[in-house]
Amino acid sequence: SQTIHQWPATLVQPVGSPLSLECTVEGTSNPNLYWYRQAAGRGLQLLFYSVGIGQISSEVPQNLSASRPQDRQFILSSKKLLLSDSGFYLCAWSVNGRALHFGNGTRLTVT
Amino acid sequence: AQTVTQSQPEMSVQEAETVTLSCTYDTSENNYYLFWYKQPPSRQMILVIRQEAYKQQNATENRFSVNFQKAAKSFSLKISDSQLGDTAMYFCASLTGANSKLTFGKGITLSVRP
Repeated sequence: SQTIHQWPATLVQPVGSPLSLECTVEGTSNPNLYWYRQAAGRGLQLLFYSVGIGQISSEVPQNLSASRPQDRQFILSSKKLLLSDSGFYLCAWSVNGRALHFGNGTRLTVT
Repeated sequence: AQTVTQSQPEMSVQEAETVTLSCTYDTSENNYYLFWYKQPPSRQMILVIRQEAYKQQNATENRFSVNFQKAAKSFSLKISDSQLGDTAMYFCASLTGANSKLTFGKGITLSVRP
């Protein structure tokens, strides 16, 4: 069966520090992968999506970047965090629209 | 570009009653999928129901069913026999086959009253 792992669950980082959030999927091949951010009490904002290794589409210009070094690995990064980067980050995968699954999310607080 | 609109920010329903959550969307694609997701206080995103645009039959999953009106680009969720555990935020979303991009509405907060 397919599973998705996202870590860490909670992260507190100072302004200006780097960021690396990781997401891995098991049990499927060539999934579409997504990074979303959700501000408190608000909807989901699509940050990046990928349809294959090394293929990253950015939806919103920002302080973040994404990479897909392996088929089932998706990484969200920042060189220098801003206060506005605080939020709840969700990784998700889908295959041909037949299934869409989310990780448990990472709560990021930038102080 | 895809857009998904949920115009109701919040709703409330009495336990055991039925409630309908509205959603409209806009897409130029012919091949797409529609979803409803539930987000309880734990913030985990849970897939409630899925509809393929080429299927005319409305999807159902136990107490959850949709009213899919393709011409009107409407995709509402009906929850029957509401339970306290249905209290959550609900998101409508669309996925197109062309660019595999998933777009969410702003969500609606549903409260089930005992």
